[in-house]
Amino acid sequence: QITLNESGPTLVKPTQTLTLTCSFSGFSFSNNAVAVGWIRQPPGKALEWLALVYGDGDKLYSPSLQTRLTIIKDTSKDHVVLRMTNMDPVDTGTYYCSVFAKVLGWGSWGRGTRVTVSS
Amino acid sequence: DIVMTQSPLSLPVTPGEPASISCRSSQSLLHSDGYNYVYWYLQKPGQSPQLLIFLGSNRAPGVPDKFGGSGSGTDFTLTISRVAAEDVGIYYCMQGLQLWTFGQGTKVEIK
Repeated sequence: QITLNESGPTLVKPTQTLTLTCSFSGFSFSNNAVAVGWIRQPPGKALEWLALVYGDGDKLYSPSLQTRLTIIKDTSKDHVVLRMTNMDPVDTGTYYCSVFAKVLGWGSWGRGTRVTVSS
Repeated sequence: DIVMTQSPLSLPVTPGEPASISCRSSQSLLHSDGYNYVYWYLQKPGQSPQLLIFLGSNRAPGVPDKFGGSGSGTDFTLTISRVAAEDVGIYYCMQGLQLWTFGQGTKVEIK
């Protein structure tokens, strides 16, 4: 059974860097058949894909946010870290960690972690 | 970027009746491998999104057969054959041909 758990600060100040961790279990993350990524959702709004890292280390970023994002794979600890710099109140929302496979797409999701950006 | 446009954005439904949601993409989602890279998700109130349909018309494991996906190219439809109270929530289509983008969501609620 695949499980994903997001963790990180609930409140960050504008201009700060957000660091979120996705801890996972239940699947092999050693090749490019599977990836782990992040998707966010502002309050009352639609979903937005942010970043992905494959098991072989290849990474993809949302073009509109790539200058602010870094995704890191740490398979020794079974987790993936997302860093987003220069946070702004518009970045407030729920951040989800999810597992991607080519056929199923984003098939399994964590419960999400809520982040508020405010001074 | 590929833009996904859903309609309607709000859908009141009567239990036991069918319902359908439309999703249109700004570019064809038909890959040379023959698959349409469109997915459907349901986000129930207070929950994470859950996968319903992958590659246009395939139900995800555990998804009841009352959910169906159809369409090709740029026009896609999610159909619920008989809506039940537990089907309320926001339905999203998503394209996976060029990175990933979601539609605005369709809120399904019981009349």
